[in-house]
Amino acid sequence: DAGVTQSPTHLIKTRGQHVTLRCSPISGHKSVSWYQQVLGQGPQFIFQYYEKEERGRGNFPDRFSARQFPNYSSELNVNALLLGDSALYLCASSKTGSPGGRDTQYFGPGTRLTVL
Amino acid sequence: AQSVSQHNHHVILSEAASLELGCNYSYGGTVNLFWYVQYPGQHLQLLLKYFSGDPLVKGIKGFEAEFIKSKFSFNLRKPSVQWSDTAEYFCAVNRGSYIPTFGRGTSLIVHP
Repeated sequence: DAGVTQSPTHLIKTRGQHVTLRCSPISGHKSVSWYQQVLGQGPQFIFQYYEKEERGRGNFPDRFSARQFPNYSSELNVNALLLGDSALYLCASSKTGSPGGRDTQYFGPGTRLTVL
Repeated sequence: AQSVSQHNHHVILSEAASLELGCNYSYGGTVNLFWYVQYPGQHLQLLLKYFSGDPLVKGIKGFEAEFIKSKFSFNLRKPSVQWSDTAEYFCAVNRGSYIPTFGRGTSLIVHP
């Protein structure tokens, strides 16, 4: 089975622009989470979606938004890009996004965003 | 705010040496604990997890971790490392919610 896929692999943008990142979960998985990983740090939680509804949101500004589609794929949107948004953006899928946080997450390869 | 501390940022070992990577978290109550690994050029993947029960958990590739509630710790161990264990290791904690907190990671280099 295919794992979690993300596109694009790399992206270069300039300050003030908008970016859309895409994620396809493992077949049968209904939950998608997004993380930001800055160089030298661990992943930081941005959003979790389950059955197209937002289940959780991390401490990120409103410039960050996401959505999940009926086929469970997801998009992460970032508006008004800042230099500090340069990072690896990871997507993870899980079967149910179970309450209690015990669902195993499977990570994709990430999208490397560089903001100039 | 919850935090997860991995005190060893860089560890260098020779093959067959024993490994212990520290992980401490900053809050009480019920927690779910995870160790993830990222091998060079590969995706982040789950090594092992602890939810409840036996505080000594075994994961893939010979790794194990021990949950010590009184010390707020979940240290990762392996008796004898191999060159193929060279990777970045992340500890993560959640408090029964969807929002996990990751440590900053430990880079392990194993010399053959």
